Amino acid sequence: DIVLTQSPGTLSLSPGDGATLSCRASQSVSSVNLAWYQQKPGQAPRLLIYGSSNRATGIPDRFSGSGSGTDFTLTISRLEPEDFAVYYCQQYGISSYTFGQGTKLEIK
Amino acid sequence: EVQLVESGGGIVQPGGSLRLSCAASAFTFSSRWMHWVRQAPGKGLVWVAAIWSDGSNTLYADSVKGRFTISRDNAKNTLYLQMNGLGVEDTAVYYCVRDLTHWGAFDFWGQGTLVTVSS
Repeated sequence: DIVLTQSPGTLSLSPGDGATLSCRASQSVSSVNLAWYQQKPGQAPRLLIYGSSNRATGIPDRFSGSGSGTDFTLTISRLEPEDFAVYYCQQYGISSYTFGQGTKLEIK
Repeated sequence: EVQLVESGGGIVQPGGSLRLSCAASAFTFSSRWMHWVRQAPGKGLVWVAAIWSDGSNTLYADSVKGRFTISRDNAKNTLYLQMNGLGVEDTAVYYCVRDLTHWGAFDFWGQGTLVTVSS
């Protein structure tokens, strides 16, 4: 199975800052099958980005995704208070789905 | 509004069985692959199982293969997860999740049901 490693584990920033979250795959991942999710405490995850760079329905344009091959990035420009949460990347390949371990975005 | 409502969670002893259900509404259930994803307390997300839209094929994570069975009843708009041989490592919130067709992503999640395996 493909292993996804997210970095950093925790990111401490202030509202208004920009955030860059990384997701590295143990082998090449199809860009079509790379997604990002946001999860707040006590809530189910929410799809943010699919196909590496497509925003899901209702997701603000301050969220953007990029990357290819083994390196993918979620960028959040101008952090809002509601953006502080845990973020997961996820991939689908050869009959299996895997998630990264998550990046916690916390208020500095 | 799309809804996925899980039920059937609870406390079960090691080696026991449990059947989870997920009632879907406000979308064409029979046209979507569906999944179960779980999350142990304080831990990350782990994909468990998937089922094709017509139920003709299933996929499982290695950790549950041979113990868990995913199924669906399209006439009842309901997804199931039969869990046998439960171990303490299966303790988690189990989410019913809708597949985003062609993209390998999960576009809608239920609120989850907690399964606790403990003696």
